[in-house]
Amino acid sequence: RKEVEQDPGPFNVPEGATVAFNCTYSNSASQSFFWYRQDCRKEPKLLMSVYSSGNEDGRFTAQLNRASQYISLLIRDSKLSDSATYLCVAPDGGGADGLTFGKGTHLIIQP
Amino acid sequence: GAVVSQHPSRVICKSGTSVKIECRSLDFQATTMFWYRQFPKQSLMLMATSNEGSKATYEQGVEKDKFLINHASLTLSTLTVTSAHPEDSSFYICSAFGQGALNEQFFGPGTRLTVL
Repeated sequence: RKEVEQDPGPFNVPEGATVAFNCTYSNSASQSFFWYRQDCRKEPKLLMSVYSSGNEDGRFTAQLNRASQYISLLIRDSKLSDSATYLCVAPDGGGADGLTFGKGTHLIIQP
Repeated sequence: GAVVSQHPSRVICKSGTSVKIECRSLDFQATTMFWYRQFPKQSLMLMATSNEGSKATYEQGVEKDKFLINHASLTLSTLTVTSAHPEDSSFYICSAFGQGALNEQFFGPGTRLTVL
């Protein structure tokens, strides 16, 4: 069975700090990965896609290390609104396939 | 972005009853939709893949006779939880691929099912 592992946290981080968390995956054939953000009792929303070595979007940077089979998410200058659960996700296969979700990392930004 | 809706958003039912959840893609056609389930403090788990015009593909451990999926049109998939029991209480979320988006799934807002 394909596995995606994350540290559940919670990560308690002061506002303005930089925070990073990792995710490991077991399926070496996976070509692309995603970070989703999920707020309490809401559906997950796509935050970033990672297709090659990494991706950067504003304060968010995602990196992929295929040799060690992990993905990381870095959040700079954290905001209170960044408080959420961040889900690491890998497709089950190619094309229109379901997704395997990690259990999520709970992030709390403190004022 | 693409919009996926679910109805109802919340349902409370008695044990033994059946509950139908609808998932609609509002502004695109979805040949494939997915049904996920999320228990409290757990991650989303894929239950089944719903293909328009054909039978759904269920993940291991998901009872196809208990979770009936119908994908009768390109914009609608339904999940019916038959003879629901308290252990079926969960957050059910559907998703669909948007047109032209590489591997991006758009999620519905979810349906919270509570079985008494």
